[in-house]
Amino acid sequence: GESVGLHLPTLSVQEGDNSIINCAYSNSASDYFIWYKQESGKGPQFIIDIRSNMDKRQGQRVTVLLNKTVKHLSLQIAATQPGDSAVYFCAEIQGKVNSGGSNYKLTFGKGTLLTVNP
Amino acid sequence: DAGITQSPRYKITETGRQVTLMCHQTWSHSYMFWYRQDLGHGLRLIYYSAAADITDKGEVPDGYVVSRSKTENFPLTLESATRSQTSVYFCASKVIAGGAQYFGPGTRLLVL
Repeated sequence: GESVGLHLPTLSVQEGDNSIINCAYSNSASDYFIWYKQESGKGPQFIIDIRSNMDKRQGQRVTVLLNKTVKHLSLQIAATQPGDSAVYFCAEIQGKVNSGGSNYKLTFGKGTLLTVNP
Repeated sequence: DAGITQSPRYKITETGRQVTLMCHQTWSHSYMFWYRQDLGHGLRLIYYSAAADITDKGEVPDGYVVSRSKTENFPLTLESATRSQTSVYFCASKVIAGGAQYFGPGTRLLVL
């Protein structure tokens, strides 16, 4: 979901449960999407990515789903652990993925705060 | 495996002073980026660099200067710090063929 002002959307789950974090992206022309995890006091950490020609990609305990029809991205975390507590950002790349100059733009969503209760 | 490092991790300075934030990466990534992160604004791109001696402005470049004489280093200088530049600064890098950027641990800057 989207944040309003300074407040991040939050998700609170019990340890061991599955978590689903949602993100709506803005540009239907975006070709590439990334999920980042940011723990308190640290930099964003790459989790998983997906290209627009895919609708699902799995990693270790994580799955990303892409629905281009409604411009929606989700991150599923299986068997959520206390160490998963963090802010999760989706990001979309507009322009050329294999670039980093003026033809490339990485746009971050506002983030969702995941809290895992032991 | 150092990856991407930033220094200092914390800095307190006064209005009008010059401050340089350092970024060093060991991956030989071509592209490097500087972002600032503020509540309510998320991550905003300040400057980026495609290679040594090639830099360009991002979304919020005013008040900042960058240089890149070597591929592995990308320092960010605040020429005359202002209170509005109090923020957390992140450096990131990426390879040419990949989309994802990889971030450093950040520098927390307080301008009094």
